[in-house]
Amino acid sequence: AQTVTQSQPEMSVQEAETVTLSCTYDTSESDYYLFWYKQPPSRQMILVIRQEAYKQQNATENRFSVNFQKAAKSFSLKISDSQLGDAAMYFCAYRGMIYNQGGKLIFGQGTELSVKP
Amino acid sequence: GAVVSQHPSWVICKSGTSVKIECRSLDFQATTMFWYRQFPKQSLMLMATSNEGSKATYEQGVEKDKFLINHASLTLSTLTVTSAHPEDSSFYICSAIGQNNSPLHFGNGTRLTVT
Repeated sequence: AQTVTQSQPEMSVQEAETVTLSCTYDTSESDYYLFWYKQPPSRQMILVIRQEAYKQQNATENRFSVNFQKAAKSFSLKISDSQLGDAAMYFCAYRGMIYNQGGKLIFGQGTELSVKP
Repeated sequence: GAVVSQHPSWVICKSGTSVKIECRSLDFQATTMFWYRQFPKQSLMLMATSNEGSKATYEQGVEKDKFLINHASLTLSTLTVTSAHPEDSSFYICSAIGQNNSPLHFGNGTRLTVT
């Protein structure tokens, strides 16, 4: 079974600084997707960034980028120029191919990010 | 963009009663819907996967007779918490996916409180 591990329950960053959230996963599959979701106090799930395992290039979305190390099964999220609105719970998630796992997402434990002004 | 509507957003019920939560895909056909449960400060735990027209697949440890899932159409899945107890109080979130490897879309969740 696939597992996702986030070893940092809480992280803190100064406004305008950079922070990296860690995530490791375990799978025997070669094709899959990885995601970072943001969950603010409203508890709405917001997709931050997505990475296809077959792509070697790290995904980037504005201030958010990932460091995807497939061999090490590591998928960290870097937030640059942190803003107060970035404060939230962040979840790393794994999704197998739809024909194999039905597309279900498996989440890590989450990292609570606080941003200090 | 694609939208998933979940209703109600919050509900309070008495112990022993049943509660139904709806999850609708508004502008796409959801071949598969997922139901998650989230306790405060914890992660989302997958409860079950439902495919239109077939029985839901429940994760280990989830009572299928307590959490009834119906996926009668390509746009609607329902979760019914039967004979609710205070320990069922939680945040329930649905998500839906279309065909192939299309993105997963989340509803806004339902906060259930059982008194």
